[in-house]
Amino acid sequence: GEDVEQSLFLSVREGDSSVINCTYTDSSSTYLYWYKQEPGAGLQLLTYIFSNMDMKQDQRLTVLLNKKDKHLSLRIADTQTGDSAIYFCADLYSGGYNKLIFGAGTRLAVHP
Amino acid sequence: GAGVSQSPSNKVTEKGKDVELRCDPISGHTALYWYRQRLGQGLEFLIYFQGNSAPDKSGLPSDRFSAERTGESVSTLTIQRTQQEDSAVYLCASSLSGGGNQPQHFGDGTRLSIL
Repeated sequence: GEDVEQSLFLSVREGDSSVINCTYTDSSSTYLYWYKQEPGAGLQLLTYIFSNMDMKQDQRLTVLLNKKDKHLSLRIADTQTGDSAIYFCADLYSGGYNKLIFGAGTRLAVHP
Repeated sequence: GAGVSQSPSNKVTEKGKDVELRCDPISGHTALYWYRQRLGQGLEFLIYFQGNSAPDKSGLPSDRFSAERTGESVSTLTIQRTQQEDSAVYLCASSLSGGGNQPQHFGDGTRLSIL
């Protein structure tokens, strides 16, 4: 089946940029998403990108998509302590029925 | 309400008991999804509803798991004869329709613990 991979942990200093990377195997992927999960909470949709785009910017967030390499990244500018959370990359499975395939999540730790 | 609502937020039960988990989607959302999140892992797809029909049940782990949706609104996920490996957070999501340009919005989940 299709798969999504993410690095498990990222530590950054407050004020720096964070870059969270994701790779996926679905060669027919149409939409890719980034969700944020804080402790004890559900998933908050951050942003998503359609596969015919290679970049999308939304305030402090920049998504880059390299469809050839099946690589997606999320850049958070001016990272704050409130950005500490787990970030999930998800692929809308092209086999139908709107199933999201999730990575295991990247835990972002922001330190002073 | 404004978001997806799930109840209970926490459930502790003994192995072998049946449990029912409830999801209230965002009003007007025709698509509803259930996912399972084991500790430290990503989400696994369980089932998708479009209206009251479930065209994709492929993710249900066994015949002990079932789900229904009524009135194109509330959904319940039932786990019969629970086992310890069923311990997880069960997350529900809804979207306006089933299209990819209609993102899935998640509730806070039900944390299920099987003793």
